[in-house]
Amino acid sequence: SQQGEEDPQALSIQEGENATMNCSYKTSINNLQWYRQNSGRGLVHLILIRSNEREKHSGRLRVTLDTSKKSSSLLITASRAADTASYFCATGGNNRLAFGKGNQVVVIP
Amino acid sequence: GAGVSQTPSNKVTEKGKYVELRCDPISGHTALYWYRQSLGQGPEFLIYFQGTGAADDSGLPNDRFFAVRPEGSVSTLKIQRTERGDSAVYLCASSPVGTNTDTQYFGPGTRLTVL
Repeated sequence: SQQGEEDPQALSIQEGENATMNCSYKTSINNLQWYRQNSGRGLVHLILIRSNEREKHSGRLRVTLDTSKKSSSLLITASRAADTASYFCATGGNNRLAFGKGNQVVVIP
Repeated sequence: GAGVSQTPSNKVTEKGKYVELRCDPISGHTALYWYRQSLGQGPEFLIYFQGTGAADDSGLPNDRFFAVRPEGSVSTLKIQRTERGDSAVYLCASSPVGTNTDTQYFGPGTRLTVL
């Protein structure tokens, strides 16, 4: 079964706006990762946040992790048309990743 | 350097046939993973190799699915007696060591269609 569950599942925004996605999970984790997928093919790793971290930044990305609520959020600031993709959170444990269903983000130029 | 590559990129087969999907991991990565992604869903774990051995094959759906990695590099996912429900994108990933905090690097996937 998949641990991560993203919310909302589809988001349409104007270029330049911020996009926020949430993810919840059910069991204890070692880390949580966010991936991007274009056109339903290869996944690109965006950022990893460890269970003892609360916030992490990478360029225009900001990830938060609340282990007490078993939830994470991904914020993309100043979105661009190229950010149009599906975004997945995945929890790491037992040497495998458990993915959620994903968020579809459409950035309108 | 080169990333993870997968061949073929697309495979169309008929119900009941046998297929092989190949994965070339990043050179030097000891861990290799196979996932399956159905339309509108996130990837689901199938099997994990550490070196030549399958360290965890608990995600394989049934005994029609089998994977090998004989020399600890290239891996082949084999599906016997394919069914229409096997249609999906099969993703391969590799990571340097295989710990829980390793980043997994994904290939572009093989889209399998069973008619």
